[in-house]
Amino acid sequence: SAVISQKPSRDICQRGTSLTIQCQVDSQVTMMFWYRQQPGQSLTLIATANQGSEATYESGFVIDKFPISRPNLTFSTLTVSNMSPEDSSIYLCSVEDSPNNEQFFGPGTRLTVL
Amino acid sequence: KNEVEQSPQNLTAQEGEFITINCSYSVGISALHWLQQHPGGGIVSLFMLSSGKKKHGRLIATINIQEKHSSLHITASHPRDSAVYICAVKSNFGNEKLTFGTGTRLTIIP
Repeated sequence: SAVISQKPSRDICQRGTSLTIQCQVDSQVTMMFWYRQQPGQSLTLIATANQGSEATYESGFVIDKFPISRPNLTFSTLTVSNMSPEDSSIYLCSVEDSPNNEQFFGPGTRLTVL
Repeated sequence: KNEVEQSPQNLTAQEGEFITINCSYSVGISALHWLQQHPGGGIVSLFMLSSGKKKHGRLIATINIQEKHSSLHITASHPRDSAVYICAVKSNFGNEKLTFGTGTRLTIIP
């Protein structure tokens, strides 16, 4: 199974600032995803991070607000830009294991925006 | 109506009890996942099922494709099993996205 680490694990940020979250996987994976989990809610897919091309965003999410990088098959970043208190959530990186199509999740980044 | 529904939403039980969490879905699927989320937020993948039954330690997951239903069982429950359990399905209509249930919050009392 893929082992995923995320940095930072948590952060408290001021309104209007930006935060970049890093996701590192211990093996090369094709599919990487970024999810948001707002308080008391289930997970919502933000985007699929594609290696070597632009991320594919879900309805309601835009690149200007959530720019994503995927420089190689083991690493991705998600930036939460111009933050507001509504962005307070857990952000989770996830990967799909190619042979089995099983999906694994990182430990999450708990973001609080004041 | 949500595509994935879980029951119960909350469950409190005594240590040692047998636990069952249910998941029903309305679409054709290629796979169903059971996930565990602890209070810190991180998610652990427990099972991926496309048919039948899987067992890992005290955890058992079953799926009935015809009835579009899956159950997660925990035998000899322990306080460390306290977590939110999430069912997620992958549609068989070609996209790679998971659709998540709203989760079942399990609390095991010593």
